[in-house]
Amino acid sequence: GESVGLHLPTLSVQEGDNSIINCAYSNSASDYFIWYKQESGKGPQFIIDIRSNMDKRQGQRVTVLLNKTVKHLSLQIAATQPGDSAVYFCAENISGYSTLTFGKGTMLLVSP
Amino acid sequence: NAGVMQNPRHLVRRRGQEARLRCSPMKGHSHVYWYRQLPEEGLKFMVYLQKENIIDESGMPKERFSAEFPKEGPSILRIQQVVRGDSAAYFCASSYNSQGNTIYFGEGSWLTVV
Repeated sequence: GESVGLHLPTLSVQEGDNSIINCAYSNSASDYFIWYKQESGKGPQFIIDIRSNMDKRQGQRVTVLLNKTVKHLSLQIAATQPGDSAVYFCAENISGYSTLTFGKGTMLLVSP
Repeated sequence: NAGVMQNPRHLVRRRGQEARLRCSPMKGHSHVYWYRQLPEEGLKFMVYLQKENIIDESGMPKERFSAEFPKEGPSILRIQQVVRGDSAAYFCASSYNSQGNTIYFGEGSWLTVV
């Protein structure tokens, strides 16, 4: 799920499939990571977060995996639904610092 | 997104005019952040404020842009003498504190400069 030029990478899946969206983060000092979902014309919506002392965290239909060795984050969505169609951003943060650094996003398209 | 209120949602300004974007954080949140998003890009940090204080403005352009978060009332992002390149979505976010708590975003203000 890395950005290429001005075009968002796109993942197209069928309804009911599992989706995996990937993100490479940049700062080895980052210790808090968040996935956001952004629908067209709306603000980013919090999905799930994970701290660096964990490798995996599960929510409702979503799982985030963190590999600190290669600075890689992934979001797994089970039984993807058309309502999951959106742009997904990962964001990283260093505890004690105010700012989130966002990745460039991956567009998820779910066909019924 | 619940609770972070931004207005206006859409704003059209002619080049040279001023744009004022307002943000009311979630109830109980005293930390406000402004981000800018260009088409098909991620959000870029601009400024972080607490009540009456600018904590971090490292992402804010040095000229024409200013932000405040007064003791009473919403946070304001002000853009003077707008240019076409200022056209973007501006998102406000808030958190309870700065220690790794979840940051919640508003629905954004879309600025179009014509």
